[in-house]
Amino acid sequence: DVKVTQSSRYLVKRTGEKVFLECVQDMDHENMFWYRQDPGLGLRLIYFSYDVKMKEKGDIPEGYSVSREKKERFSLILESASTNQTSMYLCASRLVAEKLFFGSGTQLSVL
Amino acid sequence: QKEVEQNSGPLSVPEGAIASLNCTYSDRVSQSFFWYRQYSGKSPELIMSIYSNGDKEDGRFTAQLNKASQYVSLLIRDSQPSDSATYLCAVNMIAGGYNKLIFGAGTRLAVHP
Repeated sequence: DVKVTQSSRYLVKRTGEKVFLECVQDMDHENMFWYRQDPGLGLRLIYFSYDVKMKEKGDIPEGYSVSREKKERFSLILESASTNQTSMYLCASRLVAEKLFFGSGTQLSVL
Repeated sequence: QKEVEQNSGPLSVPEGAIASLNCTYSDRVSQSFFWYRQYSGKSPELIMSIYSNGDKEDGRFTAQLNKASQYVSLLIRDSQPSDSATYLCAVNMIAGGYNKLIFGAGTRLAVHP
């Protein structure tokens, strides 16, 4: 079974803090994605990566950056957390053009 | 026009009935289609994938694809209260030179005893 592991299930941070969300997959997938999900807005793509050291902006990249130094790990960084970044963050991975496997999600609250 | 559209619901069906969930998409050349189920507070889990026109059955679930009409649906037979969840339609599209999986906003299904 594919396993996508997100480092934290719940996280509480203060405005202005730098926040790291970590994601690791164990199936040698090339593609990795970060989404956020908010009530009524569905899943919105923040950043994605199709290979090591490669990253592309999704639909809502503002206020975020990413890092992919190793194939299995894709990190999402909030440079200076703001209250409007309170959300559920979902990491996912897949082989090219195949089904997506999701991690269990991180519910981030920025106070 | 949104790339993947779903009725947000809620769709309310009695236990034992057939639930029909619909999805339309904008990209004519899309080839891969997926249905995910998401329980409240949990991450989406894959239920069905479909790649060619027609029906694909898996247990109580049937996915239907009509590429000419750009329409994909999910039927749930003998609906159970445990099927109550949000169902996300996802379509693989080429955008900006990359394969992207585009999600609809989801349809909330409520199965009542």
